Amino acid sequence: AQRVTQPEKLLSVFKGAPVELKCNYSYSGSPELFWYVQYSRQRLQLLLRHISRESIKGFTADLNKGETSFHLKKPFAQEEDSAMYYCALSEGTGGFKTIFGAGTRLFVKA
Amino acid sequence: EPEVTQTPSHQVTQMGQEVILRCVPISNHLYFYWYRQILGQKVEFLVSFYNNEISEKSEIFDDQFSVERPDGSNFTLKIRSTKLEDSAMYFCASTLNSPLHFGNGTRLTVT
Repeated sequence: AQRVTQPEKLLSVFKGAPVELKCNYSYSGSPELFWYVQYSRQRLQLLLRHISRESIKGFTADLNKGETSFHLKKPFAQEEDSAMYYCALSEGTGGFKTIFGAGTRLFVKA
Repeated sequence: EPEVTQTPSHQVTQMGQEVILRCVPISNHLYFYWYRQILGQKVEFLVSFYNNEISEKSEIFDDQFSVERPDGSNFTLKIRSTKLEDSAMYFCASTLNSPLHFGNGTRLTVT
């Protein structure tokens, strides 16, 4: 069965510090992995997806198939990065369901 | 930029009553979804809908739930007889292919 695990419920860092939000998944095929973000009072929205291999707002995530991980990283956290971050997995494109991890609340302190 | 819209933003209902949550997906999208999030818990998949029929549903989506696309724009979730444990945030999402675009959600409170 598919599963997405985010071990940290809360991550608190100081502004300018590096950030790593952990995500591990279990899926027997080749999934599509995403990070979604929800800022205060805003809707859940896509931050990045593994197939794009791009950096969004300074965040990157590398899919490690050997470790079945898709950790989200940013070298220097900003206060505006404070939000709820969800790792998500889909069986592929074309309408497959997406399942979500429990989420990690990132709090960046001044 | 087009957005998924959901109404109402907050619905309070009594146990046993029927509720209909409404969503207007992005107009050229083909796949539609409902998710829910009980307070403090994860975002859970309920159902996906494509080509006017359910393509997949979770164990949560029992006979009390139904979805409908009554016209070319709306996508509704009906709960026939609400229970206290149905209290949650319900999110609608749509996509053309991938990824998902979410609405702001409807907070359902069952008393």
